[in-house]
Amino acid sequence: QKEVEQNSGPLSVPEGAIASLNCTYSDRVSQSFFWYRQYSGKSPELIMSIYSNGDKEDGRFTAQLNKASQYVSLLIRDSQPSDSATYLCAVSPSGGGADGLTFGKGTHLIIQP
Amino acid sequence: NAGVTQTPKFRILKIGQSMTLQCAQDMNHNYMYWYRQDPGMGLKLIYYSVGAGITDKGEVPNGYNVSRSTTEDFPLRLELAAPSQTSVYFCASTRDRGQLFFGSGTQLSVL
Repeated sequence: QKEVEQNSGPLSVPEGAIASLNCTYSDRVSQSFFWYRQYSGKSPELIMSIYSNGDKEDGRFTAQLNKASQYVSLLIRDSQPSDSATYLCAVSPSGGGADGLTFGKGTHLIIQP
Repeated sequence: NAGVTQTPKFRILKIGQSMTLQCAQDMNHNYMYWYRQDPGMGLKLIYYSVGAGITDKGEVPNGYNVSRSTTEDFPLRLELAAPSQTSVYFCASTRDRGQLFFGSGTQLSVL
């Protein structure tokens, strides 16, 4: 059973601070990794994708991947109240198959003004 | 550009009733998916399709059926609705198996 694990939170971070979200996955041969943001009552939206070890930066967001440790993280710098949402980690099954993504349960992030 | 369109947005069913959740995308994506999301849980894959005429089961297919007669449409059929099927259902599509584009969701209650 392929699994994606996240701390469900809530994770409370002061406005302007760095929010750090973590995710581990069980399928060692997973190839593609994604972070989706989901506001309450809305559908998930992709905010970051990462495919190789190291860091990938996009604006205030940085995704970090360590395949040896089967660990992927998301850093949000200068956190804003609008960043308050549930963040879903998603992993593409082994071989990058067409059978969708495996999602974690999500981390509920609260940015305190 | 509508993206992925799901209907209806809300529905209440009685136990044993049947219904079809509609999903259509206008991005010419080959890959389409149906997920369900229960409160506090991640998304669970119900069925998926890699192209017209091809469908396959995901993690939680029991009680559901799908068809894919065209590239654009991927309806999800619930037969004999049960309370365990109370959930939010999301349809999604992608061109490159990674960046999923989601519909706005259908909130279904079975009472």
